[in-house]
Amino acid sequence: QVQLQESGPGLVKPSQTLSLTCTVSSGSIISADYSWSWIRQTAGKGLEWIGRIYSSGSATYNPSLKSRVTLSVDTSKNQFSLKLTSVTATDTAVYYCARDRPLGGATDYWGQGTLVTVSS
Amino acid sequence: DIQMTQSPSSLSASVGDRVTITCRASQSINTYLNWYQQKIGKAPKVLIYAADGLQSEVPSRFSGSGSGTEFTLTISSLQPEDFATYYCQQTYSTPPTFGGGTKVEIK
Repeated sequence: QVQLQESGPGLVKPSQTLSLTCTVSSGSIISADYSWSWIRQTAGKGLEWIGRIYSSGSATYNPSLKSRVTLSVDTSKNQFSLKLTSVTATDTAVYYCARDRPLGGATDYWGQGTLVTVSS
Repeated sequence: DIQMTQSPSSLSASVGDRVTITCRASQSINTYLNWYQQKIGKAPKVLIYAADGLQSEVPSRFSGSGSGTEFTLTISSLQPEDFATYYCQQTYSTPPTFGGGTKVEIK
């Protein structure tokens, strides 16, 4: 079954850019149907969807974060990535990468999550 | 954004109890409603998709129902491994949004 693993720095300074990569294994990231998402979780705001990307490179973002988020995909490495600019302490969260079923389906595979702390 | 409201936010129950969790959407979402279980330190795991579809390998004591704006997750006979936090999620419109969670604790 598909496995996802997040990687990236666990500590980012305020105003800098948070960068995470998700590596997909036991399955191809190339799909016309499935999409690949980033979701974050904080104690205060709960689960928050950040955005999704297809292997074609087509991406959709949460309007609340759109001005600061960029998703990208590297099909040769079976990876997709998240960049979040101008971070503040409120961006401190556990970040998950995940796979979404097509046509408004459920998120059926998740990475284990990675804690990113924004602090100087 | 569509707001998802879960109730209760927490509950205490005993092994063998029947448990029902409610999720209400701020507007109609048809049956674009999923339920997840999350244990401490772990990622959420899908239990129910499209309001009443049982995810593969999920025990049949879990069931979902509803459409439009009101949905329920029922655990017919609570087991020790079911103590966790449960979330609903709408995927009717972008951005997908989650409920605030229901923590199921041991009585």
